[in-house]
Amino acid sequence: QQQVKQSPQSLIVQKGGISIINCAYENTAFDYFPWYQQFPGKGPALLIAIRPDVSEKKEGRFTISFNKSAKQFSLHIMDSQPGDSATYFCAARTLGSARQLTFGSGTQLTVLP
Amino acid sequence: DSGVTQTPKHLITATGQRVTLRCSPRSGDLSVYWYQQSLDQGLQFLIQYYNGEERAKGNILERFSAQQFPDLHSELNLSSLELGDSALYFCASSVLGGGNTEAFFGQGTRLTVV
Repeated sequence: QQQVKQSPQSLIVQKGGISIINCAYENTAFDYFPWYQQFPGKGPALLIAIRPDVSEKKEGRFTISFNKSAKQFSLHIMDSQPGDSATYFCAARTLGSARQLTFGSGTQLTVLP
Repeated sequence: DSGVTQTPKHLITATGQRVTLRCSPRSGDLSVYWYQQSLDQGLQFLIQYYNGEERAKGNILERFSAQQFPDLHSELNLSSLELGDSALYFCASSVLGGGNTEAFFGQGTRLTVV
């Protein structure tokens, strides 16, 4: 049962362009929404995260936009670079003591030089 | 380097066999999570331990079990292996409490069942 839906499955962007990845969730018992970046052969690494009381968070070229009423959040990568080519996962963390992450299905981003 | 160490990096074994995957969390992290990553299922949460005790269970099969030892390292035991168990298995660790619950992932163990 997928609780976090991610799209698109793959994305090809020209160098310098904007990459946009979208996620939607159903469970209101999430309190933290991180994005992970994964390169081939590596484990996921935290890229940027947001809490639901904030509508936008920016770190360098990476921005999360969060719409609590629509239960949607998105990752924008500005001035995309070939080095950004990786798989991106959105995730949501459950409230309570367990704190496990529920991941989206991932987006394979390719940035063409 | 996330500070989370997983061994072995690769494992090839036959159907019906049993394997043990090991995870050493970051120094100071009390919580360990296990995830399975496969092509068709994505990253699936299996189980979480906190300071030696099971805290949460996800989509973990009965053939799988885990434990966390007093030194906080964790092991994931997979038995009666099937072809469909072939996947990447990730361990993550975090500090529970306060606002710092960021999870750091190891590089994973690639399990191939033949």
